[in-house]
Amino acid sequence: AQKITQTQPGMFVQEKEAVTLDCTYDTSDPSYGLFWYKQPSSGEMIFLIYQGSYDQQNATEGRYSLNFQKARKSANLVISASQLGDSAMYFCAMREGYNFNKFYFGSGTKLNVKP
Amino acid sequence: DVKVTQSSRYLVKRTGEKVFLECVQDMDHENMFWYRQDPGLGLRLIYFSYDVKMKEKGDIPEGYSVSREKKERFSLILESASTNQTSMYLCASSKAGAVNTEAFFGQGTRLTVV
Repeated sequence: AQKITQTQPGMFVQEKEAVTLDCTYDTSDPSYGLFWYKQPSSGEMIFLIYQGSYDQQNATEGRYSLNFQKARKSANLVISASQLGDSAMYFCAMREGYNFNKFYFGSGTKLNVKP
Repeated sequence: DVKVTQSSRYLVKRTGEKVFLECVQDMDHENMFWYRQDPGLGLRLIYFSYDVKMKEKGDIPEGYSVSREKKERFSLILESASTNQTSMYLCASSKAGAVNTEAFFGQGTRLTVV
């Protein structure tokens, strides 16, 4: 079974609007961490935000927030007030407690911000 | 500034050649990873290393080997390059021991095998 599922291969959003990128995960480990990365067309992977499985609050970092629904095993990334520079690939990833040496990545979502 | 550096940004190699992709990190991280990225497939783990001379196969190790002789350096080797190994290769490193430490990535190597 897929550890990380991103069901939106591509999305469009109007500049200044908010957008939600979906991510669901599969694990039986009670201890895990969820990560979002941004990959612009230049290719580098930029870490955006982290959510731990025991965190009570949803993580936020500037315009990025993580909508963490543990029972549904979802960890959606919300980008508020989209900017043209947000156009990129976005990857959801997970690290499990019992085998924290591995990172599992989803297939990614290509976000295009329209002016 | 923390850094993971891959030796080449772009490489073109011929079928059957032995290819070395080098990765160096300056963060004293225990864990290092090699991923392959293809459109629609995301990042797939080829190999990772959790210590010097220690390695484990990832999800797609066939056709690849790795070497980690020093903590800061992790090499990916294509023993006999084939056209289906044309891809983007990403190296990453992270601290060991906790789920809350992110992976740091290099800039990627786009390999074309002709």
